[in-house]
Amino acid sequence: AQKITQTQPGMFVQEKEAVTLDCTYDTSDPSYGLFWYKQPSSGEMIFLIYQGSYDQQNATEGRYSLNFQKARKSANLVISASQLGDSAMYFCAMREATNFGNEKLTFGTGTRLTIIP
Amino acid sequence: GAGVSQSPSNKVTEKGKDVELRCDPISGHTALYWYRQSLGQGLEFLIYFQGNSAPDKSGLPSDRFSAERTGGSVSTLTIQRTQQEDSAVYLCASSPHGGGRRETQYFGPGTRLLVL
Repeated sequence: AQKITQTQPGMFVQEKEAVTLDCTYDTSDPSYGLFWYKQPSSGEMIFLIYQGSYDQQNATEGRYSLNFQKARKSANLVISASQLGDSAMYFCAMREATNFGNEKLTFGTGTRLTIIP
Repeated sequence: GAGVSQSPSNKVTEKGKDVELRCDPISGHTALYWYRQSLGQGLEFLIYFQGNSAPDKSGLPSDRFSAERTGGSVSTLTIQRTQQEDSAVYLCASSPHGGGRRETQYFGPGTRLLVL
């Protein structure tokens, strides 16, 4: 089974509108972290926002917020007032504790967001 | 300060040749990760270093892949006898300690490998 599922391969959004990128996850570990990364055409992965499984409040970072619904195992990224520079691939990722003590990231397949002027 | 750097940025090689990919992590970061991103896919974990040791090599796809890290800093990913299916972007990331749910991994720009 997929650990991270991003069901939207591509999205087109008008500039200045808000956009929600979906992410669902699967884990039996009670302690985990969820990350969103942005990958512009240059290829570099840029960290956007983090949500911990025990965090009481939804994470926010500037125009980015995370709609965390633990019971549904979803962690959707919300971008408010979208800008042309937001056009990129967006990846949801999860960290679980492993037997190695290594908390590697498991990534979804990504959503390509295109902002239309 | 400087971010994670990788070299070369692009590499074209012939099937059967060996290649070496280099990663220079953020200074002071003890944890280093290698990932692979095939065309249109998400990132696939390859190997994790803590200092010079690699406690998790579980993602290496075959024994043609190996990696080392020296001086707790620079890491080299080596692919021997390259195959066309090795074509991908190889991304390196580092983080301060490698532990803790909150710790963010910082990525380099990647090396685009094309095996002809």
